[in-house]
Amino acid sequence: DVKVTQSSRYLVKRTGEKVFLECVQDMDHENMFWYRQDPGLGLRLIYFSYDVKMKEKGDIPEGYSVSREKKERFSLILESASTNQTSMYLCASSLEGLLDSPLHFGNGTRLTVT
Amino acid sequence: AQKVTQAQTEISVVEKEDVTLDCVYETRDTTYYLFWYKQPPSGELVFLIRRNSFDEQNEISGRYSWNFQKSTSSFNFTITASQVVDSAVYFCALTPNSGNTPLVFGKGTRLSVIA
Repeated sequence: DVKVTQSSRYLVKRTGEKVFLECVQDMDHENMFWYRQDPGLGLRLIYFSYDVKMKEKGDIPEGYSVSREKKERFSLILESASTNQTSMYLCASSLEGLLDSPLHFGNGTRLTVT
Repeated sequence: AQKVTQAQTEISVVEKEDVTLDCVYETRDTTYYLFWYKQPPSGELVFLIRRNSFDEQNEISGRYSWNFQKSTSSFNFTITASQVVDSAVYFCALTPNSGNTPLVFGKGTRLSVIA
């Protein structure tokens, strides 16, 4: 089974801190994604990557950046955390070819920015 | 632009009732893929089904069934004889067959099955 592991289940950070959310997958998937999930808004795509060192902006990239130095790891970075970035963050991966390959999700990181 | 609408925000049913979760989509592409995911209280989204736009056959998997109708741009999900373990948030999603376009998700429907 595909395993997508997010390093933290819960995080509490202060406004202005730099925050790193880590995601690792163990199935050699080319594609990796970061979503945030908020009540009433569903899942919104922040960034995605379809190869090492490649990144593409999703629907809501503002305030975030990403890093994909190794195929198995995709990091989401909040350069200066703000309270409106309090949310559930979900990482996912899929095989090459975005079209019909199901996403495999991690358990999520619930981030609170105070 | 792609869009997925799940009009039902929350549904509550009593155990053993049948329940249908609605999904309506918009896309200009003639070829596309539709998905359903389940998010139980543990938080991890679980893939349930994928359907491509050329395959309008309905699908049944145990107590789950899916009705795909291109004429109404709908891909509805029915749970027969619901159980408490079916309580979750269910997401419908769409990806077109053009370019590197990731999944677009609906806002989800929270299903509560009461014993």
